[in-house]
Amino acid sequence: SQQGEEDPQALSIQEGENATMNCSYKTSINNLQWYRQNSGRGLVHLILIRSNEREKHSGRLRVTLDTSKKSSSLLITASRAADTASYFCATTSYTGGFKTIFGAGTRLFVKA
Amino acid sequence: NAGVTQTPKFQVLKTGQSMTLQCAQDMNHEYMSWYRQDPGMGLRLIHYSVGAGITDQGEVPNGYNVSRSTTEDFPLRLLSAAPSQTSVYFCASSYGATSTDTQYFGPGTRLTVL
Repeated sequence: SQQGEEDPQALSIQEGENATMNCSYKTSINNLQWYRQNSGRGLVHLILIRSNEREKHSGRLRVTLDTSKKSSSLLITASRAADTASYFCATTSYTGGFKTIFGAGTRLFVKA
Repeated sequence: NAGVTQTPKFQVLKTGQSMTLQCAQDMNHEYMSWYRQDPGMGLRLIHYSVGAGITDQGEVPNGYNVSRSTTEDFPLRLLSAAPSQTSVYFCASSYGATSTDTQYFGPGTRLTVL
């Protein structure tokens, strides 16, 4: 079973609007990462937040982490058509070895 | 730096055939891993390695073998291909000996098993 579950599964917004994606997970983690994947391409790392951090920013991206609720959110502000992609959260946990487990992703479509 | 490279980009196999997917990185990363991605889904971890000579199983290891004889290379072997192994395969690496660092992904290998 997958560790991370993203919500919503798909999101369609207008250019200029903000996009919020959520990720929930089941076990304790060392860090949580967000990745972007354009159709048919490899994954691009966006941001990593460690388990002792609550919020991180990178350009138009804002990530929060609530370890008590085992959840994270990714906010993309002032979205652009180029932000159209699938977004995945990935959690890293130590279970007899460090493993990174991905969720099923949120498909974001930004209309120009 | 070329980063993480994967070959081939596309491959078609018949059921029962074996093959090796190649993965190499030139960043001197300790941690390397293989994932598969099925349509509309996230990535699932197949095998990973925390350094040369050390490998371990991920979520879906059955039907796959790996070895890590050098820091740079981490090949994935399909022993007897099955249609259920039709997928896109991604290799990734990160600097540390754990996966607590940012992972860098290769472009993927699209495999079809008939």
